[in-house]
Amino acid sequence: AQSVTQLDSQVPVFEEAPVELRCNYSSSVSVYLFWYVQYPNQGLQLLLKYLSGSTLVKGINGFEAEFNKSQTSFHLRKPSVHISDTAEYFCAVSALSNDYKLSFGAGTTVTVRA
Amino acid sequence: DVKVTQSSRYLVKRTGEKVFLECVQDMDHENMFWYRQDPGLGLRLIYFSYDVKMKEKGDIPEGYSVSREKKERFSLILESASTNQTSMYLCASSLEGSIQYFGAGTRLSVL
Repeated sequence: AQSVTQLDSQVPVFEEAPVELRCNYSSSVSVYLFWYVQYPNQGLQLLLKYLSGSTLVKGINGFEAEFNKSQTSFHLRKPSVHISDTAEYFCAVSALSNDYKLSFGAGTTVTVRA
Repeated sequence: DVKVTQSSRYLVKRTGEKVFLECVQDMDHENMFWYRQDPGLGLRLIYFSYDVKMKEKGDIPEGYSVSREKKERFSLILESASTNQTSMYLCASSLEGSIQYFGAGTRLSVL
């Protein structure tokens, strides 16, 4: 089975500052990795995914994440945040052999202040 | 764009009522999922379906059942609602592989 730990439950950040959201996973098999975002009163939207290839993955809205197999991490970064990035962010993992089943982390709430 | 529609945004029900949560997707996806979302716990999988009339239990199926009579529709049923089932419920669908598309969610309160 796979599991995900998001190391920060709340991240306050000022507008135009950089942000990093940390995600570690546990799995005995190879995995796919995802970041989803949930804006207030909405469902989840895919930000980016790692399936294979380059370990640096670029997503929508200026976000990127780096897959580090040795550290079993998939941290999400944005160099300069906007007020509109205020949301909850979820890291998720699935096994290559069972790729329709996602395991989610507990989520990180990002609050961007002016 | 993929559209996953959940029939209600907010529901208030009484303890012991039978509750139906409906989800429809418009992209001919084989796989459909029901999750519940609780603060500090992330999303937990209740049930999923990989084909019409096929279903499998997720991580927390107790107290729930599902129905998938047509490919586009996946229903979550609370046979006898209890207060500990007060939560946000999210439906998702996927064609194959892991990219799931989510509905806006149904916030259920059981009083």
